Amino acid sequence: QVQLVQSGAEVKRPGASVKVSCKASGYLLASYYIHWVRQAPGQGLEWMGIIDPGGVRTRFAQKFQGRVTMTRDTSTNTVHMELSSLRSEDTAVYYCVRGDRDLEIWGQGTMVTVSS
Amino acid sequence: DVVMTQSPLSLPVTLGQPASISCRSSQSLVDSDGNTYLNWFQQRPGQSPRRLIYKVSNRDSGVPDRFSGSGSATDFTLKISRVEAEDVGVYYCMQGTHWGTLTFGGGTKVEIK
Repeated sequence: QVQLVQSGAEVKRPGASVKVSCKASGYLLASYYIHWVRQAPGQGLEWMGIIDPGGVRTRFAQKFQGRVTMTRDTSTNTVHMELSSLRSEDTAVYYCVRGDRDLEIWGQGTMVTVSS
Repeated sequence: DVVMTQSPLSLPVTLGQPASISCRSSQSLVDSDGNTYLNWFQQRPGQSPRRLIYKVSNRDSGVPDRFSGSGSATDFTLKISRVEAEDVGVYYCMQGTHWGTLTFGGGTKVEIK
């Protein structure tokens, strides 16, 4: 069964960084693009960025430029998203999603809470 | 960035009755390859989003045929022919044509009257 399994919930202080993992099962991660999308509590969906199948090229929404990193580990079939300089507005559920122009398969989401 | 505008914001529907959600884009979503990358997602309460429709009108595997997508260029519609209780949730459109930045509509909440 093809699925994306994400790491568990995180609580971080303002200014800290968080790294969220997304492990593919049932297929090779290196064959597909992976997007990251977030959803603040009670709000809509916001696209953050994308990493290519080779794990070489990334592209980010302008508001996250300089604060987000996306990497791919082919040995563990896992993609990571790291967001730095966290602020309270970054409190959200973060989803990894397989697909290119159309977001086909979603992970279960990772809740990240930023609070002092 | 392409702005996606959905209406209505909230859609109360009687069980068994039809429902329709509109999605408009600020630019044409027809790609240079001839495809139109407009997707629809359903998010049930407490769940991850799930894709229902891709490239305007193609239903995903397992999606009931009461869901249909239509439209072209900048104007798109998701229709539910007969709403069932399990259809309660928020529906989002999303464009993948201008994929320098993918953008979502603001969402439409479907609820039962």
